[in-house]
This record gives sequence, structure tokens and C-alpha cells, in this order.
Amino acid sequence: GAVVSQHPSWVICKSGTSVKIECRSLDFQATTMFWYRQFPKQSLMLMATSNEGSKATYEQGVEKDKFLINHASLTLSTLTVTSAHPEDSSFYICSAHRGRYEQYFGPGTRLTVT
Amino acid sequence: AQSVTQPDIHITVSEGASLELRCNYSYGATPYLFWYVQSPGQGLQLLLKYFSGDTLVQGIKGFEAEFKRSQSSFNLRKPSVHWSDAAEYFCAVGATSGTYKYIFGTGTRLKVLA
Repeated sequence: GAVVSQHPSWVICKSGTSVKIECRSLDFQATTMFWYRQFPKQSLMLMATSNEGSKATYEQGVEKDKFLINHASLTLSTLTVTSAHPEDSSFYICSAHRGRYEQYFGPGTRLTVT
Repeated sequence: AQSVTQPDIHITVSEGASLELRCNYSYGATPYLFWYVQSPGQGLQLLLKYFSGDTLVQGIKGFEAEFKRSQSSFNLRKPSVHWSDAAEYFCAVGATSGTYKYIFGTGTRLKVLA
């Protein structure tokens, strides 16, 4: 149990376009999901906390207008990278919270902006 | 402020040798502690966690970790490393204030020699 999926696993987009990444908890409901960004050979940087039915809470320094987060249901959160630029290229990972301080992570989405 | 330190960026061990990955945390109360493993291009898999009780925690894949309050440490150990253990290992602490956020260490990259 406690499986989290992400789609797509890899996406290439052109500079200036927007791309949406989905995060789904497949076998449990998650009122809270998290979005992370990971640069090569570095740790995970928390971008935002996604709460079902309310606005996301962004970490300091994260542009909320560039990284739009929607938590439309108890099993789905989406991250939309708007007007993507090459510097947005990264590995994006989501996690879903369940129970006491337990997070289950998705496999990640590699975004390449050309 | 809470923090997690993984002093070793890279560790190389021979297959069959024992392994210890270090993790030190800064936290006022009893922390929630986690070890995750990330294989190349993959999301994070939970190896083990400590919330309370027995300070020696058993996890998956033959890993264990010991919580030492006096040393503010939660080191990960394995008695005999397999080549498939080569990966990135992250220590994390559950943040306070009920946000369920994690604070991740910078990670330790493990290389296993045949």
C-alpha cells in the first residue's frame, strides 16, 4: 500500500510553454501533498505544501505565479510550470502525507526545457 | 532552527563490507527521523523511521539505524553491503508545527566496489 504515482515521468517542452505534472495517491487519500525540486546530485528542496481544497503554501523564494499548484481532490495534486525556461529544468518529486509524519514519494518527473 | 547534517557526501565500500552512514540532527524535542534511499532517476523509498520506543530500528533491505539522543544522531547501518545498495541516501527529520514537512539532509552517495 501507499503508492504514489506521477505523470509524466519525463517531459520536454519549449521555452515559454507551460507544463502540468500530476501527482496521485493510488491507494489512500491525502489531504496534504508536497512538491519538491531536486537538482542533479543535490538534496530535495521543498517547494510547496499542497492542501486539498485550499491554497498551497509556498516556501520562501518559490515563485507562486510560476509554479501553480492545485489540489483538486484527496488523491490528486498538480504542479503547473508556467512560461517555462531552461533554468526550470529539474527533477520534480511529489509526496503524499499519510498518518503521522509519513510521506510517500512519487517516482519523480524530469522536466527539460529547451 | 531544525537542521539535518550528513557529514559524508560520498562513501565507497567494497561489496560485503559493513556500512555506516552518519546523520546528525538539531531539534528541541524527540524528533521523527527517517532514512530514504534514492536510486538513479528514481523517487525516494523509505528504509526505516523512528518515532519513539526502541532506539534500534530495523528497516527494509537489511538496514538498521540507531537513535542516540545524547549524540543527536541517527546513523544508518548495514552489516554486509550488496552492489545493488549503490544509491543516494537521505536522512530527514519531521518538522514541527504540525505541518508534516520534512527537513532533508544533503545526502550521501554510496558507491559499492565489486
